[in-house]
Amino acid sequence: ETGVTQTPRHLVMGMTNKKSLKCEQHLGHNAMYWYKQSAKKPLELMFVYSLEERVENNSVPSRFSPECPNSSHLFLHLHTLQPEDSALYLCASSQAGTGELFFGEGSRLTVL
Amino acid sequence: LAKTTQPISMDSYEGQEVNITCSHNNIATNDYITWYQQFPSQGPRFIIQGYKTKVTNEVASLFIPADRKSSTLSLPRVSLSDTAVYYCLVGDATGGFKTIFGAGTRLFVKA
Repeated sequence: ETGVTQTPRHLVMGMTNKKSLKCEQHLGHNAMYWYKQSAKKPLELMFVYSLEERVENNSVPSRFSPECPNSSHLFLHLHTLQPEDSALYLCASSQAGTGELFFGEGSRLTVL
Repeated sequence: LAKTTQPISMDSYEGQEVNITCSHNNIATNDYITWYQQFPSQGPRFIIQGYKTKVTNEVASLFIPADRKSSTLSLPRVSLSDTAVYYCLVGDATGGFKTIFGAGTRLFVKA
């Protein structure tokens, strides 16, 4: 138990669907992250929120839309995805100034 | 961001000490060195972090020479459950925002 909870753990969706991934952290951290991990590839940093403001967007396609309503919750809204978007999506949190990330278990996404 | 270089994979046997070395020639003065462990289909887990010399916790030790251009993660007496991917990261401790993972080292522990 890392204090970061992701739901759903598994998601299968068609290319025309709209779905959302949810992340909740119970650690009192003030920064949250989305990473993507495709098969046999390093983790790719997608988005970073600090104090509920987006501070990093690594050229992620607009079909991925993040939302951070408060410091404990982070969403990744998905629409019109492609099969190559199938991957493990990992949420993490940290306390600014520490550099230590706490990851959730991930959401395994399959796009048909 | 300083680039890191690690071996792609390593094999070991149960009970042995494993040392994984990471090169980071362009490390900056403010940079810390952090190691994570990742099991399949799980998120990475923080192992240890250091700035210079030696750091030890209940899981591992981290050795950093004076020039800080490399570091070595030492896992004492590994077990089968230590089979995982180990990532070395270098960055400003305040810059968790820029935490970039490389390919990591895949450690396989055999019985």
